[in-house]
Amino acid sequence: NAGVTQTPKFQVLKTGQSMTLQCAQDMNHEYMSWYRQDPGMGLRLIHYSVGAGITDQGEVPNGYNVSRSTTEDFPLRLLSAAPSQTSVYFCASSSHFPQGGNSPLHFGNGTRLTVT
Amino acid sequence: GESVGLHLPTLSVQEGDNSIINCAYSNSASDYFIWYKQESGKGPQFIIDIRSNMDKRQGQRVTVLLNKTVKHLSLQIAATQPGDSAVYFCAESGPDDKIIFGKGTRLHILP
Repeated sequence: NAGVTQTPKFQVLKTGQSMTLQCAQDMNHEYMSWYRQDPGMGLRLIHYSVGAGITDQGEVPNGYNVSRSTTEDFPLRLLSAAPSQTSVYFCASSSHFPQGGNSPLHFGNGTRLTVT
Repeated sequence: GESVGLHLPTLSVQEGDNSIINCAYSNSASDYFIWYKQESGKGPQFIIDIRSNMDKRQGQRVTVLLNKTVKHLSLQIAATQPGDSAVYFCAESGPDDKIIFGKGTRLHILP
């Protein structure tokens, strides 16, 4: 049982480059989300999705795009990387109740991104 | 080494003592609260949760207390062990389905 799988584990980009961080889960979870974690800032929500075809913005969405074409996958795209996007990125998933409400998030092991 | 959490508040506790980690949440509409533990180089792990219709919930060696009046959450760890050394985060969730995390507290165990 793989849980939440993130690739790559490490990535170095030059300013202005674009890339996609991959996230896949095999638990049939409806809810998926992306966070970034910076020193002293905790985890900040970038984008989230309550099901296939539905995405919404979190606390810090600027500079990032997401799509949710399948239940399993929730890729995060950096359109034009900036040094301010240097961070550790975590993908997470959970069950979600149709009437509203969540269950605990399961996290991947993170992608450490450096933008020079 | 791990650079995440360099500037977090730190709680130092003697091994075997009880630890209490506090969290103030911001949204009075939040109705679901979760505590996570994060060890160096790993993603956060679920510890315990509580919904707003309760004010206390117990797990194995852990207890979560919720005070909705003052928007305060606490995590109590009984008989703290070296393996409890980590960064602890509280998170809140409300009707908008966003799950928002607090800034975290580093728990340091003294031998």
